[in-house]
Amino acid sequence: DAGVIQSPRHEVTEMGQEVTLRCKPISGHDYLFWYRQTMMRGLELLIYFNNNVPIDDSGMPEDRFSAKMPNASFSTLKIQPSEPRDSAVYFCASSFRGTFGETQYFGPGTRLLVL
Amino acid sequence: AQSVTQLDSQVPVFEEAPVELRCNYSSSVSVYLFWYVQYPNQGLQLLLKYLSGSTLVKGINGFEAEFNKSQTSFHLRKPSVHISDTAEYFCAVSERNNDMRFGAGTRLTVKP
Repeated sequence: DAGVIQSPRHEVTEMGQEVTLRCKPISGHDYLFWYRQTMMRGLELLIYFNNNVPIDDSGMPEDRFSAKMPNASFSTLKIQPSEPRDSAVYFCASSFRGTFGETQYFGPGTRLLVL
Repeated sequence: AQSVTQLDSQVPVFEEAPVELRCNYSSSVSVYLFWYVQYPNQGLQLLLKYLSGSTLVKGINGFEAEFNKSQTSFHLRKPSVHISDTAEYFCAVSERNNDMRFGAGTRLTVKP
């Protein structure tokens, strides 16, 4: 398996623009997680899905952030409008049959810079 | 809610020396404990995890960790490090059926 795939790997955009981050989980995994990593706040869980259904989005910073999982092999994290403070590395991770006792497999991340 | 404290933000060590990366957690219930490693420009990958059973857990790349319930610690150790172990290491805790919380990370730098 190719592992968790994220695109783009790098994104530079201007404040106010819409940003869409994409994730393809490992085939057969039933949990998908979105994380954000910054120097100031470390690694934060934004939202997670089970069988394509959002379970907990309490980590989503505000209404500018939204996430969807239309099918088992694809998820998006959208920021609209983007702000400089959204600059971070965004990770997608997936796991199989479990909540947090199961190993999460992380993608390589999307490095977002909002100017 | 659970929380994790990694006591050292940076740990420099010479090659072939032993290393210990410290992690303490707080929780009022039973927990799962994890150590992840992040190499530059990569995602996190699991080193080892404690779910139950033996308190000494062995992971990949020669790392091991010991769960100490009385001290609420889960320190990571390796008896002899290599240059290739240079990376950021994250401790994480999950209360059963709750979200995972990561520590701030410890940057391990192995010098020749």
